[in-house]
Amino acid sequence: DAGITQSPRHKVTETGTPVTLRCHQTENHRYMYWYRQDPGHGLRLIHYSYGVKDTDKGEVSDGYSVSRSKTEDFLLTLESATSSQTSVYFCAISGTDSQPQHFGDGTRLSIL
Amino acid sequence: QKEVEQNSGPLSVPEGAIASLNCTYSDRGSQSFFWYRQYSGKSPELIMSIYSNGDKEDGRFTAQLNKASQYVSLLIRDSQPSDSATYLCAVNRSGATNKLIFGTGTLLAVQP
Repeated sequence: DAGITQSPRHKVTETGTPVTLRCHQTENHRYMYWYRQDPGHGLRLIHYSYGVKDTDKGEVSDGYSVSRSKTEDFLLTLESATSSQTSVYFCAISGTDSQPQHFGDGTRLSIL
Repeated sequence: QKEVEQNSGPLSVPEGAIASLNCTYSDRGSQSFFWYRQYSGKSPELIMSIYSNGDKEDGRFTAQLNKASQYVSLLIRDSQPSDSATYLCAVNRSGATNKLIFGTGTLLAVQP
């Protein structure tokens, strides 16, 4: 298994609170991604990183920010969580932009 | 029209049969195609990647790509109950090899 650890694995929080999810990898891969998975929508890319301090938006980036200060860590922040952000969040990594992506175990986030 | 379309299923096949999973995509510039398997409550796991027209075989799995017709398929030979899962098709956006578009998946049920 690819060395990817997501934390926390489960979180319940209230609307309006800030939330940060962490993805940690031990593969020294350059690319890291955040996806959300919702019924009827499949996996959708939120943000991705192509190196330390280098990030770009995906297709559903509104309401989310990311940071990558070290190769191994990629943080996803919901500045003010809304109920529409209740979802399962997956981190993925790849060595290059064309290599297959490998996924972490996911974080189940519920916003009440 | 969805960018990546899959029949949601369930596709039910008897144990030992061939399961055929299909995926169509709309972006003619897509160059990278992936099949992931996802068990209920788990993360997506890469099964196959294919980049050129034709067949690619790996054990019991065969991926088939036809860029002219814009479809990619996955054949699972000698299907086992352990193959019961949701199979996700992913295609890259043209001009962005690392930005994947996922279908919503086909649920496969292998009957013992």
